[in-house]
Amino acid sequence: DSGVTQTPKHLITATGQRVTLRCSPRSGDLSVYWYQQSLDQGLQFLIQYYNGEERAKGNILERFSAQQFPDLHSELNLSSLELGDSALYFCASSVGQAKNIQYFGAGTRLSVL
Amino acid sequence: AQSVTQPDIHITVSEGASLELRCNYSYGATPYLFWYVQSPGQGLQLLLKYFSGDTLVQGIKGFEAEFKRSQSSFNLRKPSVHWSDAAEYFCAVGRSGGSNYKLTFGKGTLLTVNP
Repeated sequence: DSGVTQTPKHLITATGQRVTLRCSPRSGDLSVYWYQQSLDQGLQFLIQYYNGEERAKGNILERFSAQQFPDLHSELNLSSLELGDSALYFCASSVGQAKNIQYFGAGTRLSVL
Repeated sequence: AQSVTQPDIHITVSEGASLELRCNYSYGATPYLFWYVQSPGQGLQLLLKYFSGDTLVQGIKGFEAEFKRSQSSFNLRKPSVHWSDAAEYFCAVGRSGGSNYKLTFGKGTLLTVNP
């Protein structure tokens, strides 16, 4: 168990809908990262938050947004969903300093029908 | 921009045989390097990491990796594979400076272990 909790484990929804994925980092970790894993793109970095502030952005679509709350949990919001958004979404957390190690949650599998 | 190449998409070995998974990276400075393993339906588990110092690093489950700067490689090895090692393995590179600690992953190598 990595200590990173992601909910829900599975999500099935329809095109055009909006969903929210939740992540609770390991105790003491200030940084949260979101990654998308798909068959064609592999594991892609989406966005990073550090202590409530956005720190870095990767290949994140404008339809996607995230935030990190004062208790350090994070949510990834996906809207106007398309079939191609079906993927495994991982959250990772780290202390947030140099030489930090990222610990990954079990992921949320999103299926858009 | 940093990038990682794992040349082998799928490798099959017999139980008890040795294993080497290849990883080549591209990064402008000294990178931070990682190997993660993903079992079916599971998240990513860290096997080992390289930050600096000794170029041969030991990890969990009997795995080791060697950092070779001249070859921009960080290959993962295990002397004797167990059936439970069947999984997908990902090499990743992270930045050694700044405030963006994102990881860039390779496409992964799927390991099948024959009895």
